[in-house]
Amino acid sequence: EPEVTQTPSHQVTQMGQEVILRCVPISNHLYFYWYRQILGQKVEFLVSFYNNEISEKSEIFDDQFSVERPDGSNFTLKIRSTKLEDSAMYFCASSEEGESDTQYFGPGTRLTVL
Amino acid sequence: AQSVAQPEDQVNVAEGNPLTVKCTYSVSGNPYLFWYVQYPNRGLQFLLKYITGDNLVKGSYGFEAEFNKSQTSFHLKKPSALVSDSALYFCAVRDPSGGYNKLIFGAGTRLAVHP
Repeated sequence: EPEVTQTPSHQVTQMGQEVILRCVPISNHLYFYWYRQILGQKVEFLVSFYNNEISEKSEIFDDQFSVERPDGSNFTLKIRSTKLEDSAMYFCASSEEGESDTQYFGPGTRLTVL
Repeated sequence: AQSVAQPEDQVNVAEGNPLTVKCTYSVSGNPYLFWYVQYPNRGLQFLLKYITGDNLVKGSYGFEAEFNKSQTSFHLKKPSALVSDSALYFCAVRDPSGGYNKLIFGAGTRLAVHP
């Protein structure tokens, strides 16, 4: 069964450093998403991406964040200058369509900012 | 504003007994509703969804959920719990009326099934 994969599983970085989190969505899916879950808190939407552009973003997704689909398979989330409060589990998801279709989630990348 | 409430932080049930995990929602339009499960050190796994049609939807691993529009609820149920069902369960809603695809999640309910 096709799955969303994410690398790395755990990333430790120093405050102020740039990180790139990588995702490989399910191959025939067209919509891509990033969510995050700060320890002990809700899963929060960050951004959705379709047809090579951002279709929706939350207030959390400020200028420090960017997303890219650099090739036909990868979908990345970049945080330019990490802050302590960026420490969280980051989940990538994809769906075949945007409307009623199901979003399938990857296993997550745990980001720790020191 | 869209929101999802899961009123119980934890639900405890004995193996073999029926289980219910509660979820209520608030959206302006007709909601799309989802349940996901998270096992330790794993991602969110899709269980089931309600889009339209029959209010009772069946999903993976014997789970089902009932959409109740008047009570704005979408409770997750299973007739006979297994110890392996112990996990964190998330209810989520999407409000398509504004063209939004994002999921709004509840805080999660930890299900503990005891032998």
